[in-house]
Parts: sequence; C-alpha cells; structure tokens
Amino acid sequence: NAGVMQNPRHLVRRRGQEARLRCSPMKGHSHVYWYRQLPEEGLKFMVYLQKENIIDESGMPKERFSAEFPKEGPSILRIQQVVRGDSAAYFCASSPGQGRETQYFGPGTRLLVL
Amino acid sequence: DQQVKQNSPSLSVQEGRISILNCDYTNSMFDYFLWYKKYPAEGPTFLISISSIKDKNEDGRFTVFLNKSAKHLSLHIVPSQPGDSAVYFCAAAGGSGTYKYIFGTGTRLKVLA
Repeated sequence: NAGVMQNPRHLVRRRGQEARLRCSPMKGHSHVYWYRQLPEEGLKFMVYLQKENIIDESGMPKERFSAEFPKEGPSILRIQQVVRGDSAAYFCASSPGQGRETQYFGPGTRLLVL
Repeated sequence: DQQVKQNSPSLSVQEGRISILNCDYTNSMFDYFLWYKKYPAEGPTFLISISSIKDKNEDGRFTVFLNKSAKHLSLHIVPSQPGDSAVYFCAAAGGSGTYKYIFGTGTRLKVLA
C-alpha cells in the first residue's frame, strides 16, 4: 500500500505533555500538508511543507505547535504542553507538486488530551 | 468567516436513486474545487475535482457541476449505493494559496437499501 501513512492512529496525552504525530507521504510525493478537524467541523489547513522547508504555516497556532519535514524520514507535527482544546483529528496529506495537484490524505491521528 | 458552506448536514436517499450534495462558496478567487468522501475513523478519500474553466466533470457514477455565477457546486451520485453512505466534504482552493484547501463542514449521506 503506497498511500499516505500516519502514526500513531490514536494518541492519548495528559495536559502539559508533548504530542508527536508522524506522516509519511505517498511514494513520489514531496509536498506535505497538515490539517486539523475539530468535532463537527470541516478540516482546517495548518501547514504546508516541502523537504527541509516550511512553505506556509499560516494555519498553525502561534505557540506550542511546530512542524518539520526533514531530508530523511517522515514529517512531524509537534504539539508542546498540550491542552484539552488540542483534542482533534489531525490529518496529513501529500501531493507530487503544488498548485492543481490533488492532495491525498492519510487515515489521521486522533489526539485526546485528558 | 465560512468561505465554503455545506448547508445540509445530512441527506437520506433510497438505493438506486440520485444523491445530490450541494456546496456554496463566497471567495471569487477560488478556481479549483474538490469533493472528498470520509468514512468514520478514516481519512478523506478523493472523489472528483473540477477547475473553474469547466462547468461539469464526470467520473463513473459521480458528476460535479460548477455554477460560477452562483458560486455553487454540486455532486451528483447516480445510482446511489449503500456503500456510498459516508460524510462528503467539498473543498475549494485558489488565488495565492492554491494548495490551501478550504473545506466545508460536510454532509452526511445515508443510502437506504
């Protein structure tokens, strides 16, 4: 299966802990996007990355959230000092290029903050 | 400010009939539109897209119609099947943020056998 892979699928953290979400794009895709879905809402854009570069992080909260896509390995979305409001489904998507290239989504990581 | 709106949270259709899901947008800079299907606990699955230079795009049982003057698009599924029961999201992109998909809140389709 050459689809977008995300792990873990479910993550439980206590308030104040760190959450690390991983995303491996589809084979041949070098563009990665992170979206967040709160309950009963649509997906909201967070950040767009290419290898070793953050292209657009306009949807990321200013504090506690960071993302990277290193030369080797998966893209990581990191949430420091999690709060209950961070509980959501986090989806990663990838595309071979940008512009009119369709984004293909992974299965998501469901984060629950206790 | 909800730039992409799906005003029907749910829709029930009999198997074999047509399902019509609607989506409205407000930003005239949007020029690329997509529909995704989502099952519970899974990620969105791409269904079909349309660019603003077209008013219709068809793929098997799925057809998307775009009415630019009304800023409205719709997804038609014919014939509807029980396996089509899912949440359907429309998404739009355009302008300087062509990669930044703006999603609607989704319509839950239930196809009754």
